[in-house]
Amino acid sequence: QVQLQQSGAELVKPGSSVKISCKASGYTFTSYDMHWIKQQPGNGLEWIGWIYPGNGNTKYNQKFNGKATLTADKSSSTAYMQLSSLTSEDSAVYFCARGTIAAGDYVMDAWGQGASVTVSS
Amino acid sequence: EIVLTQSPTTMAASPGEKVTLNCLASSSVSYMNWYQQKSGASPKLWIYGTSNLASGVPNRFSGSGSGTSYSLTISSMEAEDVATYYCLQLSSYPLTFGSGTKLEIK
Repeated sequence: QVQLQQSGAELVKPGSSVKISCKASGYTFTSYDMHWIKQQPGNGLEWIGWIYPGNGNTKYNQKFNGKATLTADKSSSTAYMQLSSLTSEDSAVYFCARGTIAAGDYVMDAWGQGASVTVSS
Repeated sequence: EIVLTQSPTTMAASPGEKVTLNCLASSSVSYMNWYQQKSGASPKLWIYGTSNLASGVPNRFSGSGSGTSYSLTISSMEAEDVATYYCLQLSSYPLTFGSGTKLEIK
């Protein structure tokens, strides 16, 4: 079955960077988009962007340009998101989610368990 | 950016009660997806392409709508339906989620 296993919780200092991973299994990693979504405590969901591991193409929410960088390693079927110049506003749970077509419409059909990032000195 | 406004923000329903959650888009979208998120868990695909139930979703759930107005309906509320429900539009970038409806049981 499709599984997305994310890395663990991170406690990082303001101004630093962090790299979160999302290891995929149960499907052909290079044939599906991988999305990243942010959820701040008690808040809703915010789309960051996607990467297509097959060719490395990316699409970002303009709001996260310069903040998030998406990459993928085909050899290990792992997607990564690096967040830079961290502030308290980046403290959140970050989800990866697979994108695919279902019944002709696009869906994010499988989600990782989430990776918590806390920015604090 | 397409803004999705969900209503109500929070609601409580009695077991067996019919429930309707709404999602209003600031511009027309081709279809809507819905996600269920229980406390401390990741969101689950619940309804896709406006009206298709995801695998394992009980048939008391249904989705409908077009253009700028979409809804998720539960024909008969059950305790296991307690969760926050989010709508998601994928018709234009940036992809956007609604702010969610928190559904509780009376």
